[in-house]
Amino acid sequence: NAGVTQTPKFQVLKTGQSMTLQCAQDMNHNSMYWYRQDPGMGLRLIYYSASEGTTDKGEVPNGYNVSRLNKREFSLRLESAAPSQTSVYFCASEGPVTEAFFGQGTRLTVV
Amino acid sequence: AQRVTQPEKLLSVFKGAPVELKCNYSYSGSPELFWYVQYSRQRLQLLLRHISRESIKGFTADLNKGETSFHLKKPFAQEEDSAMYYCALYNFNKFYFGSGTKLNVKP
Repeated sequence: NAGVTQTPKFQVLKTGQSMTLQCAQDMNHNSMYWYRQDPGMGLRLIYYSASEGTTDKGEVPNGYNVSRLNKREFSLRLESAAPSQTSVYFCASEGPVTEAFFGQGTRLTVV
Repeated sequence: AQRVTQPEKLLSVFKGAPVELKCNYSYSGSPELFWYVQYSRQRLQLLLRHISRESIKGFTADLNKGETSFHLKKPFAQEEDSAMYYCALYNFNKFYFGSGTKLNVKP
């Protein structure tokens, strides 16, 4: 039982490049989240998915897209990376008693 | 709109001293509030929730609706309590987090 798994753990991109951050959970949770963590800003919600096939914007969705193709996986895509997207990204899923389970994070640097 | 405010970025205390991490929220209604903790090189994890009214690792947090606060307290801090602490509010099926407070417990 791995919980929430994110790949990759580290990534360096050049401005304008695209990439997809992967997230998978094996706890059969319906809701999944993507957050970014920045110093002094805390965790800010990028996108949210209540169930397979549904997604909703969070606080800071600009520059990102998401995909929830099945119950397990929730991916985050940066179409054209910008230095302002340098951050640590966390995926989370929500258990049945309102508890968020987090992945280990992806540290992304855009140069 | 809901908002969670943690006014202190860094809190340093000596081992054995009391500690209080502040959290204020803005939300009209009955909030669900949580404290999450991130130890060095570990994942963010739930510490406690206001509904359960329990003490976890010696920490307690009381919801004060009048002051719209949910401060986290521990009477005697330990070095292993050093971590990043986030206050969170659950609303409309989403978690909203504060900016976090880094607690440093000195020996």
